[in-house]
Amino acid sequence: DAKTTQPNSMESNEEEPVHLPCNHSTISGTDYIHWYRQLPSQGPEYVIHGLTSNVNNRMASLAIAEDRKSSTLILHRATLRDAAVYYCIHLNFGNEKLTFGTGTRLTIIP
Amino acid sequence: DGGITQSPKYLFRKEGQNVTLSCEQNLNHDAMYWYRQDPGQGLRLIYYSQIVNDFQKGDIAEGYSVSREKKESFPLTVTSAQKNPTAFYLCASTPRTPWFSPQHFGDGTRLSIL
Repeated sequence: DAKTTQPNSMESNEEEPVHLPCNHSTISGTDYIHWYRQLPSQGPEYVIHGLTSNVNNRMASLAIAEDRKSSTLILHRATLRDAAVYYCIHLNFGNEKLTFGTGTRLTIIP
Repeated sequence: DGGITQSPKYLFRKEGQNVTLSCEQNLNHDAMYWYRQDPGQGLRLIYYSQIVNDFQKGDIAEGYSVSREKKESFPLTVTSAQKNPTAFYLCASTPRTPWFSPQHFGDGTRLSIL
């Protein structure tokens, strides 16, 4: 199974940037890195994904290390609505099943 | 708007009873998934289906059954053989191409034992 390692919890002040780290040391060359987030009592929501290059979308940015063994999800200006559990997953070609760890619980301080 | 609809939102099961959770999608996605989530834990895969009339067991399939008679529907039955069914159940779907497409999730069904 594709394993990732994330901190259990993080805190950030409102309106400041947040950097959520993820280690995926067993990643192979064709694996994609996906990030999802889950608000309380809701299903996970897709945030962003990437392969090698850094990626940006309206929700966040994804910075991928050169060796691809780690990545960082960047929320540029955290709001209270960003408080959620964030999951980092790497997806194997031929085994396209998402393996969710326990994620990082992000708390935003007003 | 396209999306995934799970029903009911809350469900209660009596001992020895089978219950069926509904999942419908209008996204025209080929693949559909069922996950179970216990408090404070990540999601675990129960069953998945990549095409109509075909499905595979996930990591925790014992005590569950599924069917995929229509592309848009993937119901999950929690049987009496599942001795600890209390959990949050999530359905997801994704197009099969490109293979790395994100999954779209419903809002879940919370199942409890009476």
